[in-house]
Amino acid sequence: DTAVSQTPKYLVTQMGNDKSIKCEQNLGHDTMYWYKQDSKKFLKIMFSYNNKELIINETVPNRFSPKSPDKAHLNLHINSLELGDSAVYFCASSLLLTAYEQYFGPGTRLTVT
Amino acid sequence: AQSVTQLDSQVPVFEEAPVELRCNYSSSVSVYLFWYVQYPNQGLQLLLKYLSGSTLVKGINGFEAEFNKSQTSFHLRKPSVHISDTAEYFCAVSGGQTGANNLFFGTGTRLTVIP
Repeated sequence: DTAVSQTPKYLVTQMGNDKSIKCEQNLGHDTMYWYKQDSKKFLKIMFSYNNKELIINETVPNRFSPKSPDKAHLNLHINSLELGDSAVYFCASSLLLTAYEQYFGPGTRLTVT
Repeated sequence: AQSVTQLDSQVPVFEEAPVELRCNYSSSVSVYLFWYVQYPNQGLQLLLKYLSGSTLVKGINGFEAEFNKSQTSFHLRKPSVHISDTAEYFCAVSGGQTGANNLFFGTGTRLTVIP
């Protein structure tokens, strides 16, 4: 009964490939997020979605495309992977757009070789 | 713009000793403050939050934090740490000009509890 789950947990791929990371939450929340944690553990928001609509798109290359098929899912698709994309990607959710408490998934460690 | 500074990247402390992890923020408007903990190879878990009201906030696992507006600080404390408290701790700020649901994180403090 995991609240926020992500698949896969680890992803190793070569430069130039396209890959997707899936996120699901079973909390009934309206808002979902993607964060990137770099090698120095710095966390930065990438996207947020509210009721399947994009709310925030920070300065993220357009090779990154989030897709929300329904409120419970927010997937992250990455085209033409680069070495600098190697990081841990966290999905999170909150009850409402204005709710301050966010619940995080376990993370997906992406390694681009 | 908002930002968060965690002054110590690593804090070693002996078991059962007290600990304080420091966090300072900058913002020109009212903010909301959070501490998250990340255990090895896990996601982030909310320890505590300050939204309004009492400036002393109590969280899970015996942690507490005090919001000090004049010093723009939100330091995290625990009177007696356990081995299981070894983890990465992140201070975060939300609210203000950029929207209520943006979380801006500090660079983290690695707490290592020594037996």
